[in-house]
Amino acid sequence: GQQLNQSPQSMFIQEGEDVSMNCTSSSIFNTWLWYKQDPGEGPVLLIALYKAGELTSNGRLTAQFGITRKDSFLNISASIPSDVGIYFCAGGWSGGGADGLTFGKGTHLIIQP
Amino acid sequence: DGGITQSPKYLFRKEGQNVTLSCEQNLNHDAMYWYRQDPGQGLRLIYYSQIVNDFQKGDIAEGYSVSREKKESFPLTVTSAQKNPTAFYLCASSSPLTTNEKLFFGSGTQLSVL
Repeated sequence: GQQLNQSPQSMFIQEGEDVSMNCTSSSIFNTWLWYKQDPGEGPVLLIALYKAGELTSNGRLTAQFGITRKDSFLNISASIPSDVGIYFCAGGWSGGGADGLTFGKGTHLIIQP
Repeated sequence: DGGITQSPKYLFRKEGQNVTLSCEQNLNHDAMYWYRQDPGQGLRLIYYSQIVNDFQKGDIAEGYSVSREKKESFPLTVTSAQKNPTAFYLCASSSPLTTNEKLFFGSGTQLSVL
């Protein structure tokens, strides 16, 4: 299957800083999902987006569905130590089944005290 | 609590041995999936099932087999034909093929070769 281009691959930031990451694709999607994975655990769904231009927040997290439908962005404000982990994006077609989801390779977030 | 349960958390396989990873869900989801995760890589789809007694190959099905005899259960067998089985295996399920689809994951099984 196709891979999404997720960047950056890793981020080293100070506690309290804001974080931005994104995913881009050569294909159009109508669904974007953002997950966080802790070491040795399964990914946990953070935010789901279903409409181009949609901006959705979940606490300190905000994600946007790009207007071109080929990209999505995730921002974390005022990072805290528990934000450490790997963040994955996934693009797909709602109604097409999760077998049609394409995953990025992840952004590894590391917070320095 | 509703969720997806994978077991065991850690599994070791000897040469030439088949091993089976368990996945159970009580979310009443029709569709279930198995993914393989290697360090620094995205998730790769092994097999999926959208309904009981039916399943389809994903991108990397060779060396694996599955069954779907019950809606709640979707076990994955890693056969001796899979020459590089060491990986983190994730089971997932999703709501029926409707709009606003979401995919939920279990906590994973780490498989290692002895």
